[in-house]
Amino acid sequence: AQSVTQLGSHVSVSEGALVLLRCNYSSSVPPYLFWYVQYPNQGLQLLLKYTTGATLVKGINGFEAEFKKSETSFHLTKPSAHMSDAAEYFCAVSDRNNDMRFGAGTRLTVKP
Amino acid sequence: KAGVTQTPRYLIKTRGQQVTLSCSPISGHRSVSWYQQTPGQGLQFLFEYFSETQRNKGNFPGRFSGRQFSNSRSEMNVSTLELGDSALYLCASSLKGLAGGLVGGGANVLTFGAGSRLTVL
Repeated sequence: AQSVTQLGSHVSVSEGALVLLRCNYSSSVPPYLFWYVQYPNQGLQLLLKYTTGATLVKGINGFEAEFKKSETSFHLTKPSAHMSDAAEYFCAVSDRNNDMRFGAGTRLTVKP
Repeated sequence: KAGVTQTPRYLIKTRGQQVTLSCSPISGHRSVSWYQQTPGQGLQFLFEYFSETQRNKGNFPGRFSGRQFSNSRSEMNVSTLELGDSALYLCASSLKGLAGGLVGGGANVLTFGAGSRLTVL
């Protein structure tokens, strides 16, 4: 069965700094990989997904993630953090049956 | 098109009471999943419904139940509420099909509602 590990439950960056949120997955088959974002008092919103093809995936709000099979990773990055990026971010993996597993989440704080 | 709608958004109950939460999925989505989100446990899968049938179930006690109607709207019920049931309950709908895959293939994207925040006193 697939699983997801997000390294770091809290990440703090300064406005304008690089954002790097780490995600490693475990899957016995080629996975589908996702990043979701949750703003306060809201549900989760899809940021980006990887299915097949190009390993560098671009999402909304300037975020991107790279699928690295050899490292079983799908880290999320953004070159320059904005105050509005403060939120909780969830990495998720699903198999071909589309049973989805979420990581524990990483809370991103952006300091002015 | 309208998103996933959950009602009520906020509610307060006391221990021992029961609660019913409602979820209206995106039009055309027949799969509805429920999650419990708490600061300590994160996102935990409760159950998934498809065509009025529970297809998958997470590791929750029998006090947690759900159902789905013919129009794909879903409800979940928690009976004999405990303090630990205080949480944000999230509903998500998707195009996940009968066999688990998507019609035409591809990855299943969950679209979430804003959640129902339950406080048990």
